[in-house]
Amino acid sequence: GQNIDQPTEMTATEGAIVQINCTYQTSGFNGLFWYQQHAGEAPTFLSYNVLDGLEEKGRFSSFLSRSKGYSYLLLKELQMKDSASYLCVSGGYNKLIFGAGTRLAVHP
Amino acid sequence: DADVTQTPRNRITKTGKRIMLECSQTKGHDRMYWYRQDPGLGLRLIYYSFDVKDINKGEISDGYSVSRQAQAKFSLSLESAIPNQTALYFCATSDPGSDEQYFGPGTRLTVT
Repeated sequence: GQNIDQPTEMTATEGAIVQINCTYQTSGFNGLFWYQQHAGEAPTFLSYNVLDGLEEKGRFSSFLSRSKGYSYLLLKELQMKDSASYLCVSGGYNKLIFGAGTRLAVHP
Repeated sequence: DADVTQTPRNRITKTGKRIMLECSQTKGHDRMYWYRQDPGLGLRLIYYSFDVKDINKGEISDGYSVSRQAQAKFSLSLESAIPNQTALYFCATSDPGSDEQYFGPGTRLTVT
């Protein structure tokens, strides 16, 4: 079957670093996306990992281990505007499989 | 202007009514998708279309139908709405050869 697991909620302090973990078991896996979604809004693309390793893009980094079915999203220098849900998404067979999302609350 | 637009943005309707949600895109993408999102659940795929003549059922197509009127337009219909179809509905597009999808702003549908 298709399964993506990520924590439901996390909290962090402004300026800190937070890591959101994701494990997946999906068929036809091509790569792993992370999307950000503010409440009631559309998901927006953050990152895409195809190969194992770390991809860095500004304050956000994403890691993938295909052999372990594991990914994480690392957010540095947290800002209040980073309060949102972060969706771990498996891509393959021209379709996306979405995790339920991790709701991150950033506090002053 | 937004690349992917959805109308209406909000809709309240009664049980048994037929309703259509519309999606338009200016990205020139061949592929279009309809998802629904419920609290505590990931986005779930309702229908998808890889070109104008191609329509495919997704994970949760029962109670829904779609029409691909043109490359740029993909409509979702609820033939007889029921309360458990209350959800946030998203349209998305993608290019062949890329799994990345671009989402519209969503339609919040409430069935009473």
